[in-house]
Amino acid sequence: QSALTQPRSVSGSPGQSVTISCTGTSSDVGDYNYVSWYQQHPGKAPKLMIYDVTKRPSGVPDRFSASKSGNTASLTISGLQAEDEADYYCCSSTGTYTIFGGGTKLTVL
Amino acid sequence: VQLLESGGGLVQPGGSLRLSCAASGFTFSSFAMSWVRQAPGKGLEWVSGISGGGGTTYHADSVKGRFTISRDNSKNTLYLQMNSLRAEDTAVYYCAKDLSGVTKYYFDYWGQGTLVTVSS
Repeated sequence: QSALTQPRSVSGSPGQSVTISCTGTSSDVGDYNYVSWYQQHPGKAPKLMIYDVTKRPSGVPDRFSASKSGNTASLTISGLQAEDEADYYCCSSTGTYTIFGGGTKLTVL
Repeated sequence: VQLLESGGGLVQPGGSLRLSCAASGFTFSSFAMSWVRQAPGKGLEWVSGISGGGGTTYHADSVKGRFTISRDNSKNTLYLQMNSLRAEDTAVYYCAKDLSGVTKYYFDYWGQGTLVTVSS
């Protein structure tokens, strides 16, 4: 149950697109389609942004999209807005346990 | 939907603590629940999960044998019994609701968190 690997930080200007990667192994990300992504603002609880690799919960803007290829999942945020500045965590589940990535700090320049 | 954690505090190494999470606004017994923690300045770590009916539980390797998750569906309450606490268990503990009745670990609602500090 080792943490998934994410870049520590990414940045982009308003209106631009950024992609956050999440690398696991053939035992987690590569073997299951239970991948999710969370957004966390400082001092707040996390918010579910993506589940089942690509699905958005109601209320999440379609600027947020995601995909998976092999052992790597990716979250893309297009049309960056100031309020997107936050920490983002990927998560891979097997049904019996789930593991998070180390988190990526997104800075909107 | 509301999830309200309680029971956190300061405890000495080797001590015990029981966290509670009072749920409202949804049919509690229909959804799996989990505890997720976050050490100060660190990332998220899943701790334990339980199915809607309570018959299936799972724990992270880091807490297996020390922590026990349970639920009382008649009281709409989730619990985490934490024994043999260590300094590395210091964290904010979140109660989180799953999207389904089985543990898929898609957490659509979270509580505000309760801080557990393990220190002498």
